[in-house]
Amino acid sequence: QKEVEQDPGPLSVPEGAIVSLNCTYSNSAFQYFMWYRQYSRKGPELLMYTYSSGNKEDGRFTAQLNRASQYISLLIRDSKLSDSATYLCAMSSSGSARQLTFGSGTQLTVLP
Amino acid sequence: DTGVSQDPRHKITKRGQNVTFRCDPISEHNRLYWYRQTLGQGPEFLTYFQNEAQLEKSRLLSDRFSAERPKGSFSTLEIQRTEQGDSAMYLCASSLGEDGWAGGRIQPQHFGDGTRLSIL
Repeated sequence: QKEVEQDPGPLSVPEGAIVSLNCTYSNSAFQYFMWYRQYSRKGPELLMYTYSSGNKEDGRFTAQLNRASQYISLLIRDSKLSDSATYLCAMSSSGSARQLTFGSGTQLTVLP
Repeated sequence: DTGVSQDPRHKITKRGQNVTFRCDPISEHNRLYWYRQTLGQGPEFLTYFQNEAQLEKSRLLSDRFSAERPKGSFSTLEIQRTEQGDSAMYLCASSLGEDGWAGGRIQPQHFGDGTRLSIL
């Protein structure tokens, strides 16, 4: 069993929709939780990170962490064409971790 | 733009050949990481440098793989006797690094756009 499981998708949604992307994890040593966005033929870029249970908001994006259920999610509101990308959850045991453990990614397409 | 730079962007080679990739990290970053990403999967950690010292290696890094960071700046990843299964995107990342509790702060890893390796 993988340490991080991510809903595989792919997802297609219309512009303006609300999208929820989800990951579960089995390693209780994970302390920091990140969401990366990866456009085609590009490297991943960090969107958000969290380490506290609850919600963290940044504009149209909300990261949710539920440590009890070992579950994280990324909510995208008012989705835009430019949100079309692969979203990767990543986890680490510390803020200056030497390695990240990634989920397999969810490919999101926002349709006009 | 002074982001992470990787060269080449795409490498096509025949099975059995040796290949070498280069990564130039963000200049003030003391940590450098190599990951491998196959189609439809997330990146998998290969190895990590703190300055010029290689401090961690994944079991994914077989004897055919070697990485160096000779002066604590750029890094190279060499694959000897390439196999079909080596076809992947090889990603380099860099970050500032400090050990110990960071008080909730994070030292994000900044990724380059990768080298795509295709084995014929």
